[in-house]
Amino acid sequence: ETGVTQSPTHLIKTRGQQVTLRCSSQSGHNTVSWYQQALGQGPQFIFQYYREEENGRGNFPPRFSGLQFPNYSSELNVNALELDDSALYLCASSRSPGDTQYFGPGTRLTVL
Amino acid sequence: QKEVEQDPGPLSVPEGAIVSLNCTYSNSAFQYFMWYRQYSRKGPELLMYTYSSGNKEDGRFTAQVDKSSKYISLFIRDSQPSDSATYLCAMRGQGGSEKLVFGKGTKLTVNP
Repeated sequence: ETGVTQSPTHLIKTRGQQVTLRCSSQSGHNTVSWYQQALGQGPQFIFQYYREEENGRGNFPPRFSGLQFPNYSSELNVNALELDDSALYLCASSRSPGDTQYFGPGTRLTVL
Repeated sequence: QKEVEQDPGPLSVPEGAIVSLNCTYSNSAFQYFMWYRQYSRKGPELLMYTYSSGNKEDGRFTAQVDKSSKYISLFIRDSQPSDSATYLCAMRGQGGSEKLVFGKGTKLTVNP
């Protein structure tokens, strides 16, 4: 059984640019959640996707958007990057919205 | 007041020690409680999952939940250098779209 995978591993962008991060969910999982983890902090919930629809959102501005595809993989898009967006972005998949979440290795984004 | 409070440490113990990690929370709607382990520059890995109050044991790890005090603990017996990591508590409410709320994480070092 393949676990959760994320790409790319690292990314460097400049302020004002746009970025797309990708996540492949674990086999048999139809729900994907995205988190932002700043250095020295716990992960903060961005949003969750279930069967291609947004199913809950945290306290993040609209320039954070997402997509889920029919194969349950997902993208996180961030527009107009700010320095404070520098963080580890984590994707987690689960069998259903209320089930245990399993995390991928994360994408480390640096905004200069 | 933050929803979940966790002492960030750092905590340094000798090999073989019993480690106690704790979190307090303010939201009485939380029903599911988890502990994740995160190695440096990796995604969180689920260690323990408990529902409501009580104890759960898995090998060297014991998770305790006291809902009346809004307090959860993770005990590690016979700690090993490989246990050196950041430990994150996480919790959520009953509903399927309830977000996972994390503590800040406690950085643990087990010295040989």
